[in-house]
Amino acid sequence: QSVLTQPPSVSAAPGQKVTISCSGSSSNIGNNYVSWYQQLPGTAPKLLIYENNKRPSGIPDRFSGSKSGTSATLGITGLQTGDEADYYCGTWDSSLSENVVFGGGTKLTVL
Amino acid sequence: QVQLQESGPGLVKPSETLSLTCTVSGGSISSYYWSWIRQPPGKGLEWIGYIYYSGSTNYNPSLKSRVTISVDTSKNQFSLKLSSVTAADTAVYYCARGMMTIQLWGQGTLVTVSS
Repeated sequence: QSVLTQPPSVSAAPGQKVTISCSGSSSNIGNNYVSWYQQLPGTAPKLLIYENNKRPSGIPDRFSGSKSGTSATLGITGLQTGDEADYYCGTWDSSLSENVVFGGGTKLTVL
Repeated sequence: QVQLQESGPGLVKPSETLSLTCTVSGGSISSYYWSWIRQPPGKGLEWIGYIYYSGSTNYNPSLKSRVTISVDTSKNQFSLKLSSVTAADTAVYYCARGMMTIQLWGQGTLVTVSS
């Protein structure tokens, strides 16, 4: 059971837009930055979004992030077949047991 | 550019200690946080812990009693030790740069716990 809740899967057609949600609480998303990671099949995760909505160098602007209250959202526009991957949100949890927490991951299928 | 590479045994017996090393190349280990994260086959990511280059550490509470992370700045390496392993510790283990934001990941190494 992950501290952050993501939908197990989402799907959309090429060229369309999709959003992936990440729900937490005041001890994690509510008071800390959220990051998003993309894990292509058989590879290591890669940073996609940091500090809620910033993109590292080299990440196309088709990828966007936002946060509101205790939830965060990853948006992907102009879907490509190469976007098929698992997507994870992550943040810091500043409860009694301070630690990094991740969502359970969302499998994106581009139909 | 900076690259991370995990190394260590791919098979560990139950009750023994899992030991992995991460070598940082293309940049200095100084002035950054360094993490270990694992992913059981077919499952999600689990943060194990991090170390600052100066040596301060923080561990996942669920693993804290069995985990030790250390750093060797002279070799540009940091290491993970996980004691008393069971089959539940079978996973791909990633070393990474960062703490709240994991900026850079190693390719990962599969460690299987089995007799």
